[in-house]
Amino acid sequence: AQTVTQSQPEMSVQEAETVTLSCTYDTSESDYYLFWYKQPPSRQMILVIRQEAYKQQNATENRFSVNFQKAAKSFSLKISDSQLGDAAMYFCAYKFGGGATNKLIFGTGTLLAVQP
Amino acid sequence: DAMVIQNPRYQVTQFGKPVTLSCSQTLNHNVMYWYQQKSSQAPKLLFHYYDKDFNNEADTPDNFQSRRPNTSFCFLDIRSPGLGDAAMYLCATSRAPGPSYEQYFGPGTRLTVT
Repeated sequence: AQTVTQSQPEMSVQEAETVTLSCTYDTSESDYYLFWYKQPPSRQMILVIRQEAYKQQNATENRFSVNFQKAAKSFSLKISDSQLGDAAMYFCAYKFGGGATNKLIFGTGTLLAVQP
Repeated sequence: DAMVIQNPRYQVTQFGKPVTLSCSQTLNHNVMYWYQQKSSQAPKLLFHYYDKDFNNEADTPDNFQSRRPNTSFCFLDIRSPGLGDAAMYLCATSRAPGPSYEQYFGPGTRLTVT
């Protein structure tokens, strides 16, 4: 069975600094997708960044980038130049790339605080 | 703006009293999902609809049911809520069921069982 582990329940970063959130996963599949979702307080979860497992190049979206280590089954999120609006719960998620399924398997989340 | 809407945002029900949570979408997506997110736990998929086809996860309790009367609306029915059913319930949609399609989430309904 596929699992996703986020070992940091809480993290804190100073505004304008860089922070890295960790995620590891376990799967026997070779075709899959990985995601980072952001869930601000009392607001909907939104997609931050996605990575296809077959792509070697790490995904980047503005201040957000990932370090995808397929052999190590590691998928960390780096937030550069942190802003107050980045404060949220961040979920790492896995999705099997085969078949017709669209099921997301989430980690337990990392609560990020941004200090002014 | 196209979006996923959940009503109510907060719901209190009594132990054993049936409750219905509502989700609507203006994205015209074919697939609608319900996730359960208990405190300090990962969101967990309960079931999803692909058009009118209902797909239940193997470990979803029978106490949880769903209805999708049309493309825009999907309901989560909890027939006899227990204290362990207190959680945030997230609705999500995607254009199609394949793994390459992004899921869009609503803000959630927080259910309290007294």
